[in-house]
Amino acid sequence: EAGVTQSPTHLIKTRGQQATLRCSPISGHTSVYWYQQALGLGLQFLLWYDEGEERNRGNFPPRFSGRQFPNYSSELNVNALELEDSALYLCASSFLGLADTDTQYFGPGTRLTVL
Amino acid sequence: GIQVEQSPPDLILQEGANSTLRCNFSDSVNNLQWFHQNPWGQLINLFYIPSGTKQNGRLSATTVATERYSLLYISSSQTTDSGVYFCAVVDRGSTLGRLYFGRGTQLTVWP
Repeated sequence: EAGVTQSPTHLIKTRGQQATLRCSPISGHTSVYWYQQALGLGLQFLLWYDEGEERNRGNFPPRFSGRQFPNYSSELNVNALELEDSALYLCASSFLGLADTDTQYFGPGTRLTVL
Repeated sequence: GIQVEQSPPDLILQEGANSTLRCNFSDSVNNLQWFHQNPWGQLINLFYIPSGTKQNGRLSATTVATERYSLLYISSSQTTDSGVYFCAVVDRGSTLGRLYFGRGTQLTVWP
């Protein structure tokens, strides 16, 4: 069974540009989560999508947005890139969308570098 | 939100040694996961263990929910065990879906 996949593996952008990151969940999983791992800041929760709806959002500015498609894949968009957006972006998926008990399975990540 | 503290922050071992990593959390949880982050950044699921004890090969984990801590045991360490180990929790009754992560334990195993 294929795990969570993410693309691209690496992404290099310049300040002010937009970045689009993609995630495909494990087959049968309906929930997708996005996390940011920036140097020195640990793993920070960004967004949770379930059945096409945004269910929760972390403490990030509105220029971080996303969506979930009917096939449950997801896209994270970061507008007006800033240097501090450079980080590893990790996507996870889970099966039931139960907020407090689901096991989350992570993809390999997209490393975003903003120059 | 719930606070998660991991100790020690760094651990250096000789191959073959055993180790214990600790995770303390500040509130009741329904979800506790242990991960190993490999050198390429991927988080590998080790255990889903909100309570009780589980074993998988050389790794085992115990969560004492009433005392709000979890332990990850690694026996007969190998160089491939190197990396960062994270504990992550979801507080009981949460509707937010988010995992709260500790800062991790950086494990280095030397041959």
